[in-house]
Amino acid sequence: GQQVMQIPQYQHVQEGEDFTTYCNSSTTLSNIQWYKQRPGGHPVFLIQLVKSGEVKKQKRLTFQFGEAKKNSSLHITATQTTDVGTYFCAGGVRGGSQGNLIFGKGTKLSVKP
Amino acid sequence: DVKVTQSSRYLVKRTGEKVFLECVQDMDHENMFWYRQDPGLGLRLIYFSYDVKMKEKGDIPEGYSVSREKKERFSLILESASTNQTSMYLCASSIRPVGNQPQHFGDGTRLSIL
Repeated sequence: GQQVMQIPQYQHVQEGEDFTTYCNSSTTLSNIQWYKQRPGGHPVFLIQLVKSGEVKKQKRLTFQFGEAKKNSSLHITATQTTDVGTYFCAGGVRGGSQGNLIFGKGTKLSVKP
Repeated sequence: DVKVTQSSRYLVKRTGEKVFLECVQDMDHENMFWYRQDPGLGLRLIYFSYDVKMKEKGDIPEGYSVSREKKERFSLILESASTNQTSMYLCASSIRPVGNQPQHFGDGTRLSIL
């Protein structure tokens, strides 16, 4: 079936270092969404990208959607301990009765103070 | 703010039992979802529903069924619980269309099957 691959699975950084997670799909996506799950919590929606080549920023977080709408990245500048958690991308795919949202397996970020 | 409420945070059941997990959302969302989350496997879709009495299979529907009798409530049923169904179960809801709207998650139910 359709898959969204996300790498790396884990990332350990020193506080202040940058962090990037990448998502790739074999098929063209209608949109890409990013979620954050804090330890012990549930996934929380961060942002949605819809347009080819779109770039959005939220403070220290930069989200990109590839030109072909098959890949995306999340970059965090100067990580803080509050950034700890698992980051999931989720690709919107068409087809079926309503389309669907395919989640990547997530990148677990740990930040050493 | 959207509120998705799952009936239990922790649940312990025995092999062979019929298990019901309940989820209620308060935002009149058309779509509701059940996922299970396991380490290293991410979120896997079990079933989703885009309307009352409507349901569609996700990636791993075997051993599960669902019920959506009212718009706000989506129930996941383990017909005969097995140990390999020990997992974290997450419910989510969204407005239409399914693949293009953010999903709002409940706090999850950690289910242990002994």
